[in-house]
Amino acid sequence: DAKTTQPTSMDCAEGRAANLPCNHSTISGNEYVYWYRQIHSQGPQYIIHGLKNNETNEMASLIITEDRKSSTLILPHATLRDTAVYYCIVRGNTDKLIFGTGTRLQVFP
Amino acid sequence: GAVVSQHPSWVICKSGTSVKIECRSLDFQATTMFWYRQFPKQSLMLMATSNEGSKATYEQGVEKDKFLINHASLTLSTLTVTSAHPEDSSFYICSARRSGSSYNEQFFGPGTRLTVL
Repeated sequence: DAKTTQPTSMDCAEGRAANLPCNHSTISGNEYVYWYRQIHSQGPQYIIHGLKNNETNEMASLIITEDRKSSTLILPHATLRDTAVYYCIVRGNTDKLIFGTGTRLQVFP
Repeated sequence: GAVVSQHPSWVICKSGTSVKIECRSLDFQATTMFWYRQFPKQSLMLMATSNEGSKATYEQGVEKDKFLINHASLTLSTLTVTSAHPEDSSFYICSARRSGSSYNEQFFGPGTRLTVL
């Protein structure tokens, strides 16, 4: 599975949009981009996933570049409860989810 | 929504004893479950893949005789840490893949914190 690169940490003001980037320049054609988050001392929570089209659900939006080498997770109106570590994972034809180091998002009042 | 539970949520044991952790999918069947380990301030590390009715597949570097996995039914997988030592102290998390799902729909449990004295 392709490796991902994410910033170590980011800050965001409450109520503003949080844009979390992920680089996956070695992604191949059949690999999906998944986003999970982990709030402190809890299990990871699924957020969204996509292949090449932009996706939106009740939690977030996922923007994937046309060449699929990078993507951005957007939390449109961040709240304090969105403070967590966000993981961008690229998964191919396997059940495994391999977690990288993620981005620690701190939402402040 | 799909719920995965783990029991116990935390456990403290003496060095040399064995500890069993249960992972249950409460409202769906899971042919495949996964076990992860997470040390403080680190990411989740996949330990093994557990398939119902067959032997688990362990990741490189994970001792299968130390971390015994049993997946006897479609809703239950257990991880037994045998002869636990202080270096086994960690946060153990399971996930369950919903059987028949069209994509890799995995749901994670809340984790079990193991402290070995």
